[in-house]
This record gives sequence, C-alpha cells and structure tokens, in this order.
Amino acid sequence: SQQGEEDPQALSIQEGENATMNCSYKTSINNLQWYRQNSGRGLVHLILIRSNEREKHSGRLRVTLDTSKKSSSLLITASRAADTASYFCATVEGNNFNKFYFGSGTKLNVKP
Amino acid sequence: DAGVIQSPRHEVTEMGQEVTLRCKPISGHNSLFWYRQTMMRGLELLIYFNNNVPIDDSGMPEDRFSAKMPNASFSTLKIQPSEPRDSAVYFCASNPAVGGAVTGELFFGEGSRLTVL
Repeated sequence: SQQGEEDPQALSIQEGENATMNCSYKTSINNLQWYRQNSGRGLVHLILIRSNEREKHSGRLRVTLDTSKKSSSLLITASRAADTASYFCATVEGNNFNKFYFGSGTKLNVKP
Repeated sequence: DAGVIQSPRHEVTEMGQEVTLRCKPISGHNSLFWYRQTMMRGLELLIYFNNNVPIDDSGMPEDRFSAKMPNASFSTLKIQPSEPRDSAVYFCASNPAVGGAVTGELFFGEGSRLTVL
C-alpha cells in the first residue's frame, strides 16, 4: 500500500535533546505532511513539504524529503516535555490529491 | 473559527445497536473526510466527500457502515448494527479544496470514541 511507515515506533528522550523520526513510503507523492496527536485529541498539522522540496523549517521543526529513497525525516530540536505526543506522516498521492495515507506513528516521550 | 466539531465525544453502546456519529466541518471547507483510528490498523480513511458528494467510499468496511452529507455544514457516519470490532476513535476532517482537489492540510476534529460492548 501507499501508507507511510514511521520509525521508530516509540522514542524516549530527555528535555533539551533532539528527536528524529523517519517516514518511508512506496509510490510517487505530491506532498508529504507531518501531524501531531496529543493523547485523546485530534491530529494537528505541523508542516508540509512538496515533492520538489528537499528541506523545510518551521520554528524548532526541520523536515527533509528524499524522493529517490522515498523517505522523510522530522527533527524536533531542543525538545520540551510539551512535545510529548504521537507524530504521523501523511503522504498525498501524486495524481489524486484527495488521498491522504497516514503512517502508524511515532510515540515521542520527552522526560522533564 | 470553531474548528471541526464532532459529537458525541464518547459513546458506549451494546452490540446490535445503531450508532450515529456527527460532524460539522469548518465553514467554507468543501471536502470532508471520515477516518477510523485503532491501535491495530492505525488511521484508515473510510470515505470522503467533495461538495457534499461521496467521492470515494472504498474504505468503508462493510454494508453496516453508511455516511451522508446532506448539506455543506453537516455529515453523519452511521453503523447499523454495531459490533465490538467497530470499537475505535472516529475522526472527521475537512479541507478547503479547490476545484475538487484538496489543498494543504487536513483539519481534524477531536474525534468520537466508540465502544461497542
């Protein structure tokens, strides 16, 4: 399937450290998006990177995209306890902009 | 804006009962999506609408599931009869869409947690 797969499934770090999550997918995409989900809440969009972009920044977030390897990474720098959440990548098909495929997520725990 | 509004937030019902989940998308958004989230299967797209018309319902698990969007500000997902394996969190999401194509990100509601006993 087109569904993205995140790696690792779970990540536990200390406050102040950087957190890196990876996402791999299988077919061509129009764009790739990262979402965050706090426990018991809905998903919230973090950042979008288009297929012709290689890197994008937003505050403490840095996203890279390698279309040749069909992979993306999300880096959260100087993590805070409030960053504790699950993070999902979503790929949007190249020829069907209405299809979002979500991965299984990375559960990040930032210890104070 | 109030965001995507879903109700109920929690529903506990017994097997065989009918369940109706409701969603109000963000005003002006003309694409609406229903997702189901479980630990085992993650986030699954059930159905999406564009301009109130169902475009793709290939993710609807079986005939027990049905979805409607009678107008631009309201959608329902109905399960009849419900089964324990339908227990999950059901999310509604909306997007402005341009010319029938989603633009940018999805805006999610807080979800409806369904437990079928």
